[in-house]
Amino acid sequence: DTAVSQTPKYLVTQMGNDKSIKCEQNLGHDTMYWYKQDSKKFLKIMFSYNNKELIINETVPNRFSPKSPDKAHLNLHINSLELGDSAVYFCASSQRPVGTTYEQYFGPGTRLTVT
Amino acid sequence: TQLLEQSPQFLSIQEGENLTVYCNSSSVFSSLQWYRQEPGEGPVLLVTVVTGGEVKKLKRLTFQFGDARKDSSLHITAAQPGDTGLYLCASAGGTSYGKLTFGQGTILTVHP
Repeated sequence: DTAVSQTPKYLVTQMGNDKSIKCEQNLGHDTMYWYKQDSKKFLKIMFSYNNKELIINETVPNRFSPKSPDKAHLNLHINSLELGDSAVYFCASSQRPVGTTYEQYFGPGTRLTVT
Repeated sequence: TQLLEQSPQFLSIQEGENLTVYCNSSSVFSSLQWYRQEPGEGPVLLVTVVTGGEVKKLKRLTFQFGDARKDSSLHITAAQPGDTGLYLCASAGGTSYGKLTFGQGTILTVHP
């Protein structure tokens, strides 16, 4: 069974389009995250949700809007796609962070290419 | 935001060699995690170190946390092609709930 799954795996689209990436976790975790990994492999957090409530929003453009319909799902919608949005987007989940020793489980990633 | 410096950025070695990857910060880590990411996959947690001076072993991998909790290292003994991947250190804590800050990563290639 896949613990954290994302769809689609690959997404190729043109500038200006709107697209969504879906994420689901079956680990029973309370907290979910979106990360962006750029072409240099640098991984940076974008958002985190705890029990459907937005906790972290790391200075991400308003074109990015996360939505959590329930604590097992966290989707990412991107409006007006730009070339610079091309990256691999990872969803992750964890138990509710207590202290600083929580483990995050990552999905396989969605490679977004904007042309 | 805590900045993590990882070195080296790239490492290409032959099977059987030993290697060390470093992760440093100018400020103290609350805790430090090491992840490995294989091509086309998400990062997978290898270890979490919390206490200054701590040493943890995972088969051929040895993780050390500096006494002052400002640095950490990952040492691989007798590297194998299966060790190939991106190694990331990550710092947890700070004021943001659940936030991990990652280093730039070390891309390791082990040639047969």
